[in-house]
Amino acid sequence: GESVGLHLPTLSVQEGDNSIINCAYSNSASDYFIWYKQESGKGPQFIIDIRSNMDKRQGQRVTVLLNKTVKHLSLQIAATQPGDSAVYFCAEAITGGGNKLTFGTGTQLKVEL
Amino acid sequence: EAGVVQSPRYKIIEKKQPVAFWCNPISGHNTLYWYLQNLGQGPELLIRYENEEAVDDSQLPKDRFSAERLKGVDSTLKIQPAELGDSAVYLCASSLGGGTGETQYFGPGTRLLVL
Repeated sequence: GESVGLHLPTLSVQEGDNSIINCAYSNSASDYFIWYKQESGKGPQFIIDIRSNMDKRQGQRVTVLLNKTVKHLSLQIAATQPGDSAVYFCAEAITGGGNKLTFGTGTQLKVEL
Repeated sequence: EAGVVQSPRYKIIEKKQPVAFWCNPISGHNTLYWYLQNLGQGPELLIRYENEEAVDDSQLPKDRFSAERLKGVDSTLKIQPAELGDSAVYLCASSLGGGTGETQYFGPGTRLLVL
């Protein structure tokens, strides 16, 4: 049989459109959240982070939204470009937990020309 | 500024053989992490160092895995003996400090294939 781990959720978007990648985190005690981008053959690259005392944070072309009530995190990428094609991971941590990151299941973003 | 450096980038070995991975963190970063990443999954922490001290090795399978960071800079992760299930990408990351919120910068990883 096939391994569930090999089938990443995939999001396909047209170049120029906005992308929204979702993540459900597991631990209600988590108070720090990060989005990483991982291109094929490379290590994860930090995109943006947010603490639990905020519900929105913006960066360059990216916005992270945090809904603590339903333990949901999203990453919005504006005007998606071919270079945005990658696997995106959310990660969570707890203050005082030694910066230990727990990564979620990744989402494969494919940008179509 | 150079990022996290790892070597080798790829390694193919037969089961029961030993293997070692090397990591050089970003200059000045006191905290170093080793992660395991299986295909299609997120990285999982194996061990975290603050300078030369391993402060969290709870996820390291100590029967076959070992790590060291003798001078608080470079680090080596070893597997002996390797098993088929060890085939994965081994990532090293570093951060300036070990407090929550310190950005972790990842190296490119070592892709291990055990035959």
